[in-house]
Amino acid sequence: QKEVEQDPGPLSVPEGAIVSLNCTYSNSAFQYFMWYRQYSRKGPELLMYTYSSGNKEDGRFTAQVDKSSKYISLFIRDSQPSDSATYLCAMSETQGGSEKLVFGKGTKLTVNP
Amino acid sequence: KAGVTQTPRYLIKTRGQQVTLSCSPISGHRSVSWYQQTPGQGLQFLFEYFSETQRNKGNFPGRFSGRQFSNSRSEMNVSTLELGDSALYLCASSVSGVAGELFFGEGSRLTVL
Repeated sequence: QKEVEQDPGPLSVPEGAIVSLNCTYSNSAFQYFMWYRQYSRKGPELLMYTYSSGNKEDGRFTAQVDKSSKYISLFIRDSQPSDSATYLCAMSETQGGSEKLVFGKGTKLTVNP
Repeated sequence: KAGVTQTPRYLIKTRGQQVTLSCSPISGHRSVSWYQQTPGQGLQFLFEYFSETQRNKGNFPGRFSGRQFSNSRSEMNVSTLELGDSALYLCASSVSGVAGELFFGEGSRLTVL
């Protein structure tokens, strides 16, 4: 079993739709949970970062963490064509004094005008 | 503020050769991490350096190595290249290695023929 599982999609939605992206994980040592967005031919950029169970909102984006179920989600409200990208979940654990990130394989999202 | 700069952006090598990739972190950032991204495995952690010391290492063979210089710039080297080493190699920098502060470069795309 992979440490982090993420549905690769692809996911195609109309503009204005609510998008739900999900990841599950198996390692209880993961302490921090992140969502990255990666446009084609670009490096990942951090969207959301959280460490506790519950919801965290930032504009149209909401990150949700359920540590008891080992499940995290990212919701995008009022999706825009500019949101078309690959979304990667990532989780970190502390090793050797630094944090090591484990990524999901990413979900490719297309928002159609 | 300049971002993370990786060179070269694209390169083609043949099996058995070696390659060196370079990463210049954001000014003031002392931690540099390297990741390999492939369609099959996604993003996988290679290693992390802080103040010229390797603090963390992923599950890659010894052909993959790295180093960090006193100005925080980092290089990674892959010797005896294999076809499976074809990937996007991403560098990320942060002030101290905290996952929520990682900034990624655009990557070096390596093709091994």
